[in-house]
Amino acid sequence: DVKVTQSSRYLVKRTGEKVFLECVQDMDHENMFWYRQDPGLGLRLIYFSYDVKMKEKGDIPEGYSVSREKKERFSLILESASTNQTSMYLCASSSPGREQYFGPGTRLTVT
Amino acid sequence: QKEVEQNSGPLSVPEGAIASLNCTYSDRGSQSFFWYRQYSGKSPELIMFIYSNGDKEDGRFTAQLNKASQYVSLLIRDSQPSDSATYLCAGSTDSWGKLQFGAGTQVVVTP
Repeated sequence: DVKVTQSSRYLVKRTGEKVFLECVQDMDHENMFWYRQDPGLGLRLIYFSYDVKMKEKGDIPEGYSVSREKKERFSLILESASTNQTSMYLCASSSPGREQYFGPGTRLTVT
Repeated sequence: QKEVEQNSGPLSVPEGAIASLNCTYSDRGSQSFFWYRQYSGKSPELIMFIYSNGDKEDGRFTAQLNKASQYVSLLIRDSQPSDSATYLCAGSTDSWGKLQFGAGTQVVVTP
């Protein structure tokens, strides 16, 4: 079974804090993705990575950065958290062109 | 302009009946399509994928793809209360496997 894990299920941070969200997959997938999901807006792609140290911007990269130093791990960084970044964050992984598998999600609240 | 469109619902279906979900897409380059089920507060889980025109069946689920008309559908036969969830349609347009998600259709199966 494919397993994608995320470091936290729930996270509460203050405005201006630096926030790290970690994602690990155990299926040797080349691709990894970070999404956020908000009511009425659906899933929106923040960043994706198709190889170690490689990254591409998604639809809403502003305010976020990513890091992929190892194949199995993909980190999402909020340099200075803001209240409009309160959301559900979902990590996914896949082989190129194939179905994506999602982690359990991190519900981030920025106060 | 959204590339993948779904009716938001809710789609109310009596237990034991067939639920029919539709999805249209605007990018003719889309090659692969995926249906995910998402329970409230949980992450999306893959139900089916379809690459070729026609029908694909897996248990109580049937996915249908019509590339000429640019629509994808999902049929759920013998609907059960446990099928109550939001169903996300997604299309892939590039070889990396980035997905464009619809906003989802909420299905409510009533006993």
